[in-house]
Amino acid sequence: GEDVEQSLFLSVREGDSSVINCTYTDSSSTYLYWYKQEPGAGLQLLTYIFSNMDMKQDQRLTVLLNKKDKHLSLRIADTQTGDSAIYFCAESFSSGKLIFGQGTELSVKP
Amino acid sequence: DAGVIQSPRHEVTEMGQEVTLRCKPISGHNSLFWYRQTMMRGLELLIYFNNNVPIDDSGMPEDRFSAKMPNASFSTLKIQPSEPRDSAVYFCASSLRFSTGELFFGEGSRLTVL
Repeated sequence: GEDVEQSLFLSVREGDSSVINCTYTDSSSTYLYWYKQEPGAGLQLLTYIFSNMDMKQDQRLTVLLNKKDKHLSLRIADTQTGDSAIYFCAESFSSGKLIFGQGTELSVKP
Repeated sequence: DAGVIQSPRHEVTEMGQEVTLRCKPISGHNSLFWYRQTMMRGLELLIYFNNNVPIDDSGMPEDRFSAKMPNASFSTLKIQPSEPRDSAVYFCASSLRFSTGELFFGEGSRLTVL
């Protein structure tokens, strides 16, 4: 089946690294995504990784994919107060479907 | 370029009334998605279209919900009759290519059914 799980909350201090984790159940997904949602707004694509890759780095963002364990993580280096938001992982399928996790609310304290 | 445009941004209505939410996707995008977001259930995929054709509506909760895409630049999501449990933020999103997860979201329509 298609199911994506995330922890609901994460709190870090400004300047620390944040690691947001995600597990998924369907191994047929082609790409995995991280989206960010700020209050009162729609979701915005942050980054993505192809399912045959292990890692992708994009400035302060590092995505790690463990396909064997069906585990995806997003690391934000030097977290800033502006990074406070809800982060969603998502997997896409050849059927065109895109399924999101519940979202992890990141709170960055000064 | 204008992004995905949704209207209304906020709607408050009474139980039993008909609600119509509207979406204009980004020009040139050929896939369109409707999602519903609530605290309890998170982000649920309701229905998606490719080239104006509904591909999968298995996420539509009940027959009270219907969605149309009469042309490439317009889609509606209708709830008739509305119920308090339909209260949520409804998002429309579009993508340039089918089966890519690179979606562009609108700002959402917040629906409150009293």
